[in-house]
Formats: sequence, structure tokens, C-alpha cells
Amino acid sequence: AQTVTQSQPEMSVQEAETVTLSCTYDTSESDYYLFWYKQPPSRQMILVIRQEAYKQQNATENRFSVNFQKAAKSFSLKISDSQLGDAAMYFCAYEETSGSRLTFGEGTQLTVNP
Amino acid sequence: DAMVIQNPRYQVTQFGKPVTLSCSQTLNHNVMYWYQQKSSQAPKLLFHYYDKDFNNEADTPDNFQSRRPNTSFCFLDIRSPGLGDAAMYLCATKPWPLTSGIDNEQFFGPGTRLTVL
Repeated sequence: AQTVTQSQPEMSVQEAETVTLSCTYDTSESDYYLFWYKQPPSRQMILVIRQEAYKQQNATENRFSVNFQKAAKSFSLKISDSQLGDAAMYFCAYEETSGSRLTFGEGTQLTVNP
Repeated sequence: DAMVIQNPRYQVTQFGKPVTLSCSQTLNHNVMYWYQQKSSQAPKLLFHYYDKDFNNEADTPDNFQSRRPNTSFCFLDIRSPGLGDAAMYLCATKPWPLTSGIDNEQFFGPGTRLTVL
């Protein structure tokens, strides 16, 4: 079974600084999807960024980028120019190409200090 | 705006008293999911529908049931809530299979927080 591990239960960053959240996963598949979801205190989960495993280029979305290391099964999220609104729980997630279900990591609680 | 709506946002029930949570969507997505999320934990998938096909997770208790009368609506029934069922319940949708121009993404509702007294 696939597993997703986030080894940092909590992280903090100063406003305007850069922070990297770590995620590793385990799978025997060669093609799959990886996601970072954000869940602010209001609790509505929203997608931050996605990566398709067959694409070697790292995904970017404005201030958010990933470092996808397929051989190492690592998928870290970098947040640049951190803003107070980035404070949230961040979940790393894996999905097979069959698309049936997400496997979530345990989450990383990010605090942004003014 | 197209969205996933969950009602009610807060639900209080008594131990053992059946409760129904509802989810509706205007996205016309064919896949709908129900998750249970306890405080500071990852969402746990209970079951999902692919169109009308119901897919139950192996470790979902029999106490949890679901109905999907049409594409837009999905219900979570908890037949005899216990104190351990107090949690946030999240509904999510997505289109599947993907077609040209459609990205793979689950769209989540705001959740229903269930309290069991």
C-alpha cells in the first residue's frame, strides 16, 4: 500500500521569508499524481499545487513550487515570500493514475510570524 | 460560482441518535467522496461514489452509510453515533476520467462539524 510521510508536524516562518515543507512517499507505481493541499483554520481544503510523476519539470504556482525527486520519492513544497494568509495545515497527498482515492500525509502545521 | 456545499455546518446529536449530513455540488462532477477528519489529523476516506457505484473503504464501520440519489446530492448517515464519531466530515468531488483541459483535483466542501453529546 502507498504511504505518505510528512516528518515535520509543525513549522514556522517569518513573514516574507521562504520555507520548505517535506514529504516522502512510498509506491511501486511509475506514474501517479502528487498534491499539496492547504487547510486554513476555516477548514476548507484547497489545492495548492499538483505534480504528475511522468513530468520531470517541477510544478510552480506563483509563490509555491515543488522539488520533485522521483528516484528518492520526495516531494517538498517551497513557499517563497511567505504571507500571513499562508498559515494553515498543509497536507501532502498521493494518488494513483486510476484516480480513485487520495492518500494523505499526517500534515504540517505552518505558522507565519509577522 | 460552482461549488461544493455542506449542510449543516455544525450538527449536534445525542449518543445513539441517527443523524444525516448532506452534500451538494454544482460542479456536475461524477465522483463524490466522504471523509472523516479528527482534530489535527489527516482526512480519512470513508467511501466514495463513482457515478452511482458505491465504493466502501474496508475499515469504514457499518455504522456509516451513504446515499447518492442523483449527481448533485450525496448524504452521509450515521445510524448510531458514538462519542468517537465526533469529528469534521468533509465532502469532496472531482470529475473522472480526466478529459482534455481538465486537471486532476478534488474540490472540498467546508465540512460539517459533528458533536455527539
